[in-house]
Amino acid sequence: AQSVTQLGSHVSVSEGALVLLRCNYSSSVPPYLFWYVQYPNQGLQLLLKYTSAATLVKGINGFEAEFKKSETSFHLTKPSAHMSDAAEYFCAVITYSGAGSYQLTFGKGTKLSVIP
Amino acid sequence: DADVTQTPRNRITKTGKRIMLECSQTKGHDRMYWYRQDPGLGLRLIYYSFDVKDINKGEISDGYSVSRQAQAKFSLSLESAIPNQTALYFCATSDLTSGDRADTQYFGPGTRLTVL
Repeated sequence: AQSVTQLGSHVSVSEGALVLLRCNYSSSVPPYLFWYVQYPNQGLQLLLKYTSAATLVKGINGFEAEFKKSETSFHLTKPSAHMSDAAEYFCAVITYSGAGSYQLTFGKGTKLSVIP
Repeated sequence: DADVTQTPRNRITKTGKRIMLECSQTKGHDRMYWYRQDPGLGLRLIYYSFDVKDINKGEISDGYSVSRQAQAKFSLSLESAIPNQTALYFCATSDLTSGDRADTQYFGPGTRLTVL
């Protein structure tokens, strides 16, 4: 089975500083990878996804992520943090199980705080 | 109007009561999912359905049941609620037939359930 590990349950950055949220996955086959964002009291919103078309994926709100097969990583970055980026971020991977069925497996989440 | 709606948004109930959470979607997607979210554990899949006649257990289906009444409706039931089922519950939809190879999932706003 595939799995996802998000390093750091809480990350704090200053406003204007670089945001780096780490995600590593385990997979024996090429995966599909996702980053979702959850603002307080809201559902999950898709930030970006990797589908093997390009290793650097650009998403909404200035976020991007780079797929690195050699490191089995899909880290999320944003050059300059904004107060509105404070939220919880989830990395996820498509997991394939037998008979052509699959499911989305989530990491445990990283809560991002932005300090004024 | 939201594409994926969940009712109720909040519910407080007592141990032993039967509870139904409902999910409706106007996206025309054929696949629907139920997840629960617990702090520090991310999202875990309870049940999923790839079409009206298809129901599959997820990672944590014990204590839950589902009904796919129509393509647009997918209900989650707790036959006899217990306190450790207190959580945030999310419905999601996806549509592989749209050509999205990653089968991206789109989430509802969530239902906060408290079992006393």
